[in-house]
Amino acid sequence: EVQLVESGGGLVQPGGSLRLSCAASGFTFSSYWMSWVRQAPGKGLEWVANIKQDGSEKYYVDSVKGRFTISRDNAKNSLYLQMNSLRAEDTAVYYCARVELIYGDAFDIWGQGTMVTVSS
Amino acid sequence: EIVLTQSPATLSLSPGERATLSCRASQSVSSYLAWYQQKPGQAPRLLIYDASNRATGIPARFSGSGSGTDFTLTISSLEPEDFAVYYCQQRSNWRRFTFGPGTKVDIK
Repeated sequence: EVQLVESGGGLVQPGGSLRLSCAASGFTFSSYWMSWVRQAPGKGLEWVANIKQDGSEKYYVDSVKGRFTISRDNAKNSLYLQMNSLRAEDTAVYYCARVELIYGDAFDIWGQGTMVTVSS
Repeated sequence: EIVLTQSPATLSLSPGERATLSCRASQSVSSYLAWYQQKPGQAPRLLIYDASNRATGIPARFSGSGSGTDFTLTISSLEPEDFAVYYCQQRSNWRRFTFGPGTKVDIK
């Protein structure tokens, strides 16, 4: 079964750090671009970051540039999001998603999400 | 940055009725437009990619159309399980993505 499972969310104080993980299974992880997408409580979806198959290209939404770092370990079939200098507005459910190139770069597989709460 | 606008914000319909959802881009996105369905407490599900192609396992009552800046998602006859929030999404030339604000389809 094709699956993405996120972990690492929790409560963190403003200015703090958190590292999210996403474990992939059921497909050849190293063949796909991967993304993080977040959703603030009661709000819409916001793309956060992308990473190329070999990690050589990374793209970020402006609001997280310089604070968040996307990375991957293809040997461990895992995607990561290092989040530093966290702000209240980063509070959201964070989803990892697979980017399917043959679907015009649509997100065809999603994890169940992990909640990040930034609050003192 | 390409901005997506969806209308209406809320669509109140009865089961069996036809739903027409609109997504407009601030500049051309060619056909790189996808549609997702999200139910409360669940992750989004891909419905349509490349503006008009149904993803695997998506029922034929869902269809997409459009290109350039104007796109439409049509649900031909609403089933009870179709009441949800629908998002459009585009991919720019530099592999940056944006989503629209969503349209909620609720039961009238």
